[in-house]
Amino acid sequence: EAGVTQFPSHSVIEKGQTVTLRCDPISGHDNLYWYRRVMGKEIKFLLHFVKESKQDESGMPNNRFLAERTGGTYSTLKVQPAELEDSGVYFCASSQDFGGTGNTIYFGEGSWLTVV
Amino acid sequence: GDSVTQMEGPVTLSEEAFLTINCTYTATGYPSLFWYVQYPGEGLQLLLKATKADDKGSNKGFEATYRKETTSFHLEKGSVQVSDSAVYFCALTRGSYIPTFGRGTSLIVHP
Repeated sequence: EAGVTQFPSHSVIEKGQTVTLRCDPISGHDNLYWYRRVMGKEIKFLLHFVKESKQDESGMPNNRFLAERTGGTYSTLKVQPAELEDSGVYFCASSQDFGGTGNTIYFGEGSWLTVV
Repeated sequence: GDSVTQMEGPVTLSEEAFLTINCTYTATGYPSLFWYVQYPGEGLQLLLKATKADDKGSNKGFEATYRKETTSFHLEKGSVQVSDSAVYFCALTRGSYIPTFGRGTSLIVHP
């Protein structure tokens, strides 16, 4: 079974440019999550989709970040325009169910973004 | 709000040494506690978990005991290997299943 896949794995862009990160969750997983880890800091929650709907986007830092999940399959996270402080690793995760101690969230390898 | 505090890294050990990575948490109620691991070039993987006080999670020789009295969930391994070199994240969930993570602790094991 394929895991959570993310693209690109690494991206270097200039301040002010736009970057779009893509996440393909595990097939059949309705729940999709985006997280971000800025260098040396904790992994922070950005938002949670249930199918194509945004269930919780309380972690989105500002309106330069836009996440979509059209059709409830893959998701994109666009940063426009990128700023230096956006540099970090963006993790995507998915799960079949939501809630409960028996549920497991599966993470992708992360997309490393460097803004210069 | 909920938070997780981990010891600063990197932790550098020789092969077969004993490992402890400290983790303490702040949360109301009764969270579930987790350790995730990220090996070089790979995604985050669930290493072990404990869902109630005094539970011990274990996997691949790693153990952690949920201590409510000290709000801790320290990760231990009796004899580390070079292949254990990775970044380890302590995390908790409460209510919803969206984990709150710590900063991560890098472990480097030398032969």
